[in-house]
Amino acid sequence: GQQLNQSPQSMFIQEGEDVSMNCTSSSIFNTWLWYKQEPGEGPVLLIALYKAGELTSNGRLTAQFGITRKDSFLNISASIPSDVGIYFCAGRMDKLSFGAGTTVTVRA
Amino acid sequence: DAGVTQSPTHLIKTRGQQVTLRCSPKSGHDTVSWYQQALGQGPQFIFQYYEEEERQRGNFPDRFSGHQFPNYSSELNVNALLLGDSALYLCASSPGLSGYNEQFFGPGTRLTVL
Repeated sequence: GQQLNQSPQSMFIQEGEDVSMNCTSSSIFNTWLWYKQEPGEGPVLLIALYKAGELTSNGRLTAQFGITRKDSFLNISASIPSDVGIYFCAGRMDKLSFGAGTTVTVRA
Repeated sequence: DAGVTQSPTHLIKTRGQQVTLRCSPKSGHDTVSWYQQALGQGPQFIFQYYEEEERQRGNFPDRFSGHQFPNYSSELNVNALLLGDSALYLCASSPGLSGYNEQFFGPGTRLTVL
């Protein structure tokens, strides 16, 4: 499948911080999706993006579909402890391809 | 309304054995996709079933096969298990072939191959 490069691999958040993660690909996609996975559960869809340049929000989450159709970013504003988990980007042409994930943990 | 359910939750097998994993889709969903998620990785698409037929397939060998029943539930079969098949196997259901944005994942089956 297509290779998606997701960064950073991990990050530590402090409550109230804004955090950002992104995903790049050598292939173009016609849909970008962002998921969150918590221990013992399957991924849960956070945001879906369908058009190049599209900027979409879901509460404190904002994601954008890159103009080149080869990248996307996800921002989380004003972090709270329950934001911890693994965030995955996924791009779709005919099939869905996932990045390796960004692990978000709380800074002690 | 139950979401996507999978059974069993955990499974331990030895190399060379065969395994069958089961999935019941969310009510109202008729399309089932299977994914393999190795530790520390994102899910990888195995295949998708719709109207009891395999519609799309990822880059997985023929040892991986599946089935969809008239009630839309699905099975994933893996033959001749290898150590590298150890992973979390996720089932996702959606309404129709194009409903990726409405795809709901189950909690997964953790398969360990010894």
